[in-house]
Amino acid sequence: AQTVTQSQPEMSVQEAETVTLSCTYDTSENNYYLFWYKQPPSRQMILVIRQEAYKQQNATENRFSVNFQKAAKSFSLKISDSQLGDTAMYFCAFINLQGAQKLVFGQGTRLTINP
Amino acid sequence: DSGVTQTPKHLITATGQRVTLRCSPRSGDLSVYWYQQSLDQGLQFLIQYYNGEERAKGNILERFSAQQFPDLHSELNLSSLELGDSALYFCASSLSSPNTEAFFGQGTRLTVV
Repeated sequence: AQTVTQSQPEMSVQEAETVTLSCTYDTSENNYYLFWYKQPPSRQMILVIRQEAYKQQNATENRFSVNFQKAAKSFSLKISDSQLGDTAMYFCAFINLQGAQKLVFGQGTRLTINP
Repeated sequence: DSGVTQTPKHLITATGQRVTLRCSPRSGDLSVYWYQQSLDQGLQFLIQYYNGEERAKGNILERFSAQQFPDLHSELNLSSLELGDSALYFCASSLSSPNTEAFFGQGTRLTVV
């Protein structure tokens, strides 16, 4: 079974700092996607960034980038120049492109950006 | 706004009762997913439908059932409710299966008293 582990329940940084959220996953498959979702206090689940496992290049979306280490099964999220609006729960998620194809989430990291 | 609509936003009901949660996917999306988010278990995948057919099943209780209708909206039925069923229930939709880009609704907060 696929599992996703986020080892940091909570993190806190000052505004404008860079922060990295960790995520590891476990799968025996080779064809899958990885995601980071953000859940602000509004409860809305918002897709932040996506990485296809077959791509070696790390995905970037403005201030958000990932460090995808396929062999290590690691998928960390880096937020540069953090802003108060980045305060949210962040979930790492995995989907296998074969079989059940269900989106599996980690337990989440609560990130607080302090002014 | 993700384009996915869930109703109702809040629901309070008593133990033993039955409720129906509704989800309207984004226009054109064929896949609908249901997730349960509780404090102690994170986001749990319940079930997936694709163009009216069940595609994948997760840790969905036998007291729970779902369906996707010809107009692609979906309903999640929860029966014989227990206190532990209190949670936030999310619906997500995507154009195809698998959900390489899933868009989530705002969720239904269910409180069982």
